[in-house]
Amino acid sequence: NAGVMQNPRHLVRRRGQEARLRCSPMKGHSHVYWYRQLPEEGLKFMVYLQKENIIDESGMPKERFSAEFPKEGPSILRIQQVVRGDSAAYFCASSQVRGSNQPQHFGDGTRLSIL
Amino acid sequence: EDQVTQSPEALRLQEGESSSLNCSYTVSGLRGLFWYRQDPGKGPEFLFTLYSAGEEKEKERLKATLTKKESFLHITAPKPEDSATYLCAVQASGTYKYIFGTGTRLKVLA
Repeated sequence: NAGVMQNPRHLVRRRGQEARLRCSPMKGHSHVYWYRQLPEEGLKFMVYLQKENIIDESGMPKERFSAEFPKEGPSILRIQQVVRGDSAAYFCASSQVRGSNQPQHFGDGTRLSIL
Repeated sequence: EDQVTQSPEALRLQEGESSSLNCSYTVSGLRGLFWYRQDPGKGPEFLFTLYSAGEEKEKERLKATLTKKESFLHITAPKPEDSATYLCAVQASGTYKYIFGTGTRLKVLA
C-alpha cells in the first residue's frame, strides 16, 4: 500500500527542543501539504510544497517553523524551540497535480506532545 | 473570509436509521468541496469531491450533494462501522489549500 507515510507517529519533546516530522508522499505525487489539528479544532493549513520549492506558506508561523521538500527524500516539517502550544497532530497530504480534480490524500499524522 | 461550518457536532443513530450531515460554506469562488472520513488516531480518508451546484456523488451507503451555499452527506441505513468523524473541506478558486470544518462525530449503535 503506497499511501502517504508519516513518521514518527508519536513524538515527545521537552520545551526548547527541536521537532522534525517527516512525510513521504504517495508514489507519483509531487505536491505536499502540511496541516495542523489542535484538539477540538479543524485541520488548519500550514504550507504547500513541490520538490525544492515552497509554493504557499501563508499558514505557517513566521518564527520557529520551517518546511522543505528536497529533490531526494521526504518532506520535513521542522519546529525549533518547541513550546507547549505546539502540541498537536500534524498531518501531511499529497496530490498528483495541482487542482481539485486530484484530491489531497492524507497520512495518519504525527502526534507531537511537548512536556 | 472563507469559512466552513459543519452541523451537528455530534450525532447518534441506531443502526438502519438514515440521516444527513450538513456542511455550510462561504468562499470566494468554489474550486471544489471535499468530504473525508476520519477514524480515531488516523488521518482523513477521502470520500468525495463535488465541483458545482446540483452535483451528486454516491458510494455504498453515502451520498453527497452540493448547492451554492451548502453540502449534505446523506447516510442511508447506517451500520456501526460507519461510526467516525466526517470532515468537510472547501478549496477556493486560485488557491490549493483546503479549509476544513470541525467535523461531525457520528456514532451508530447496533
